[in-house]
Amino acid sequence: DQQVKQNSPSLSVQEGRISILNCDYTNSMFDYFLWYKKYPAEGPTFLISISSIKDKNEDGRFTVFLNKSAKHLSLHIVPSQPGDSAVYFCAATSYDKVIFGPGTSLSVIP
Amino acid sequence: KAGVTQTPRYLIKTRGQQVTLSCSPISGHRSVSWYQQTPGQGLQFLFEYFSETQRNKGNFPGRFSGRQFSNSRSEMNVSTLELGDSALYLCASSFRGTDEKLFFGSGTQLSVL
Repeated sequence: DQQVKQNSPSLSVQEGRISILNCDYTNSMFDYFLWYKKYPAEGPTFLISISSIKDKNEDGRFTVFLNKSAKHLSLHIVPSQPGDSAVYFCAATSYDKVIFGPGTSLSVIP
Repeated sequence: KAGVTQTPRYLIKTRGQQVTLSCSPISGHRSVSWYQQTPGQGLQFLFEYFSETQRNKGNFPGRFSGRQFSNSRSEMNVSTLELGDSALYLCASSFRGTDEKLFFGSGTQLSVL
């Protein structure tokens, strides 16, 4: 039973265009959501987060949107750069619990 | 400030053996959690330790165990290794727990032959 889903295993985008990565969750108890980025041979690094009381959070080129009624969040990267090529994990948390999605591999083509 | 350190980076073992992985968290972090990453499965939560006590455990068999020392360093042990245990094992630390931003180590790549 996957509580956090990332239905696109991979995504290719042209440099300069927008990348949109999607994440769906099933448990309405989740109240804090995070995105991590992972390069090969490195551990994941925190990218951006959003609390369930908000519907948008922005940090530079990265924006996360949360639609609680649809139990859906998305990460927008604008403009996409080749250095953004990595695996992106969505994570959902509630009190002392974290569930990660399976990840989406983003390739930004120069 | 030093990051999360995991040792060793790579391990090759054979079926039936046991293995111990080590994790040193960021100074001041009391929560250490462990994850297994396999292709297509994302990061599967193994367990979390806080102040030397296991606070949460994922759905892994009892062959997977861990502990945390008074200096917050943590070890993970896998006994009677199986081929399916081949994976990247990641450790993460934080101040309070797994419901906040986590800082990950680079992981230990375990291959079971």
